[in-house]
Amino acid sequence: ELKVEQNPLFLSMQEGKNYTIYCNYSTTSDRLYWYRQDPGKSLESLFVLLSNGAVKQEGRLMASLDTKARLSTLHITAAVHDLSATYFCAVGGIQGAQKLVFGQGTRLTINP
Amino acid sequence: NAGVMQNPRHLVRRRGQEARLRCSPMKGHSHVYWYRQLPEEGLKFMVYLQKENIIDESGMPKERFSAEFPKEGPSILRIQQVVRGDSAAYFCASSPPGRGSYNEQFFGPGTRLTVL
Repeated sequence: ELKVEQNPLFLSMQEGKNYTIYCNYSTTSDRLYWYRQDPGKSLESLFVLLSNGAVKQEGRLMASLDTKARLSTLHITAAVHDLSATYFCAVGGIQGAQKLVFGQGTRLTINP
Repeated sequence: NAGVMQNPRHLVRRRGQEARLRCSPMKGHSHVYWYRQLPEEGLKFMVYLQKENIIDESGMPKERFSAEFPKEGPSILRIQQVVRGDSAAYFCASSPPGRGSYNEQFFGPGTRLTVL
């Protein structure tokens, strides 16, 4: 059974600092997604990573994928309060299936 | 360009009642997925449907839960004889037809089910 594990699960940081969220998964996949969820809200798509070595950046967020290590990272640069949310990674395409398997989520709190 | 629509947004049921959750995919999308999110947890896949077909129901509980996506109208997730453990947020996602392997899923706002 595919396992997707994120760490840390909780992260409290100050504005202006940098940090990285890690997403490890247990079986071969070439599709990795990052989503953001605000409390009581739906999921907002951040990044879609489709190949080994893929790197995408949007504002203060940058995501990368290493399919050989089965690892994706979400890097936050010079955090601002507006980035406080829960971030999920999700793995797709396992054995041709369409379903997404989600990590537990990382709850990020950025303090002024 | 309307996104994925779900209704109701909030649903309260007493134990033993039935819950019906509806999902209208984005325009042009013919693939629908249902996920469940328990409090403080990630989303768990339940079922994947195309029009009039259930493609993957590997995440559906064996009893009380069913899903459909008719030729006309929204997809419906039906929970019979609800129990307190069914309280959760239920999210629907949709993706376009075609070569499905890399089709990104877009999520609706969710239905928050509370069972009293």
